[in-house]
Amino acid sequence: NAGVTQTPKFQVLKTGQSMTLQCAQDMNHEYMSWYRQDPGMGLRLIHYSVGAGITDQGEVPNGYNVSRSTTEDFPLRLLSAAPSQTSVYFCASSPGQDLYEQYFGPGTRLTVT
Amino acid sequence: AQTVTQSQPEMSVQEAETVTLSCTYDTSESDYYLFWYKQPPSRQMILVIRQEAYKQQNATENRFSVNFQKAAKSFSLKISDSQLGDAAMYFCAYSSLLFNNNDMRFGAGTRLTVKP
Repeated sequence: NAGVTQTPKFQVLKTGQSMTLQCAQDMNHEYMSWYRQDPGMGLRLIHYSVGAGITDQGEVPNGYNVSRSTTEDFPLRLLSAAPSQTSVYFCASSPGQDLYEQYFGPGTRLTVT
Repeated sequence: AQTVTQSQPEMSVQEAETVTLSCTYDTSESDYYLFWYKQPPSRQMILVIRQEAYKQQNATENRFSVNFQKAAKSFSLKISDSQLGDAAMYFCAYSSLLFNNNDMRFGAGTRLTVKP
């Protein structure tokens, strides 16, 4: 199993550009999430999904969109990048249903200039 | 909303000695999970240990153990016989058991340095 994979590993965007961060898992997990990590603030939940076709907002959803058309994939879209979105982004998956441990991808470092 | 507080931004320990990292949380729920994650310089988040709130017995994984005080809402991590490879950021995390809630809350982290 590859676990949770994320692409790209690094990305530089200009303000106003759009892009999609890709996330895939091969563990047949129902739950998937996106977090951002900023210095001194730990990880904060952006959006999450408890199954294909079901998504919901987390703690800091503004400026991000998600969709979940398959169990395996959970892309995160930035429609108009802003410098405040400079961060490290982690995708995670979880079996849910009495086992709430999250399995994390390797992260994407995004810089918006 | 639940909050997780790690009051020690940095900690240091001598190799082979013991160190305790602190974590407190705030919740009105009675059942939940608590976790400690390790993040080495590689940036990968690695699960260290988990504790179910309904279990009174403290979780243990080899050199890692927790002191879970439910009434005090405290969840500290003890690392025994510290090794150089333990140097990392450590994050305490809370997970609700509410149905369809995948909202895991993290503390700000503690950076652990291990001195040879």
